Formats: sequence, C-alpha cells, structure tokens
Amino acid sequence: NAGVTQTPKFRVLKTGQSMTLLCAQDMNHEYMYWYRQDPGMGLRLIHYSVGEGTTAKGEVPDGYNVSRLKKQNFLLGLESAAPSQTSVYFCASSYRLNTEAFFGQGTRLTVV
Amino acid sequence: GESVGLHLPTLSVQEGDNSIINCAYSNSASDYFIWYKQESGKGPQFIIDIRSNMDKRQGQRVTVLLNKTVKHLSLQIAATQPGDSAVYFCAENMTPAGAAGNKLTFGGGTRVLVKP
Repeated sequence: NAGVTQTPKFRVLKTGQSMTLLCAQDMNHEYMYWYRQDPGMGLRLIHYSVGEGTTAKGEVPDGYNVSRLKKQNFLLGLESAAPSQTSVYFCASSYRLNTEAFFGQGTRLTVV
Repeated sequence: GESVGLHLPTLSVQEGDNSIINCAYSNSASDYFIWYKQESGKGPQFIIDIRSNMDKRQGQRVTVLLNKTVKHLSLQIAATQPGDSAVYFCAENMTPAGAAGNKLTFGGGTRVLVKP
C-alpha cells in the first residue's frame, strides 16, 4: 500500500499565482485533512473532509480552497498565492475523525 | 515543547538509554491524546494514543503516561536507538467520536537526538 501520496514535493510560486496540491489515499478512509507546518508553530488545520463531496474549514482556512470529488482524493487550492503561505503542507487521512492519522510526505511551498 | 523548527526543545539521549518526552496540554476537557514522530523531511507518523479513562498504555518499546490532575502527558521510549532520532509531538482532542466541534490540537514538539 502506498498510504497517503502528495504531489508535488516542492514548488516555488510567484505572488499571485495559483496552484493545486494533490493528495491521494488508498486506505478507503472517510476523513481527510490538510495541515500546514511552520517554524515556531505546531501543525495547523487548514480544511478537512468527513466524506466524499464534503469539506469543512479548519483553524486557518483563509486563502485556501479544497475539494473532495472522490473519496480517495483531497485537493488543496491556492487561488492567489501570498508569501505568508510559504510553508510545508501535509495531507492526512484517518478511519475515524481526529484519531490515528496517516500523513503524506509533505509539500514544501515557497511563495516569492 | 512550544515550537516547531528553529526553537525546538531538544533532548539528547545516549543510545541504549531510556527517553522521556513530556507534553503539557491545555484543555482539561480533552479526553484523547496522540503521540506522533516526525523524522527529518518526512510526514508525522503515529506512535501511540491514549484515552482519558486510562493512565498508562504500552506499545512496542513505548509507554504513554497520562496525568489528568496536572494535564501532563509523557512518552517513554525504552532502549533508545539511532532510528528514534526525530521530532516528537503530542496532540489533544475532545470528543473524538465525530461530534460537532471535534478539534485536534498539536503541540510544538521536542527534538530527540540519539548519541552513539
């Protein structure tokens, strides 16, 4: 099993550009999450999903959008990137809400 | 620990010794706790969890202790190995069974360095 796979692993964007981060899980999990990890702070939840076709805001949702069109995929979009969105982004999935989660390897995003 | 990255508290441990990593949580209503391990350049990896109706739970080479009176959680690693070098962080949650307002809060982490 691949677990949770994120693409891309690294990306540099110019301010104002848009991009989509892709996350795929092969464990048939209902729950999926997008987090960001910054120096000086713990993981912070951006958006999450409790099932196919549903999404919900997390702690820091501004500037991001998500979609869960298929159960195995959770997409994170940045419509107009800002330097404050420079971070490492992690996707995760779990069998139950906010319990043992499996994380992807992360996407390091730099906005210049 | 209070921060991730540059200002992480660091625990240096001799290979073969036991490690104790501490975590103070903030919400007295939290009833579910998780420990994660994060190696450099990788995503967090689940280690062990514990519910508030327990004081202690053991896994393979790891033990988690929960002291609800002082809101303190610890992770003990027996016979620490070089592969245990990583950042460890705890997470707390209230009502983990899908209720409205369910939220997982992560601590900043502690870096463990294993000396050969």
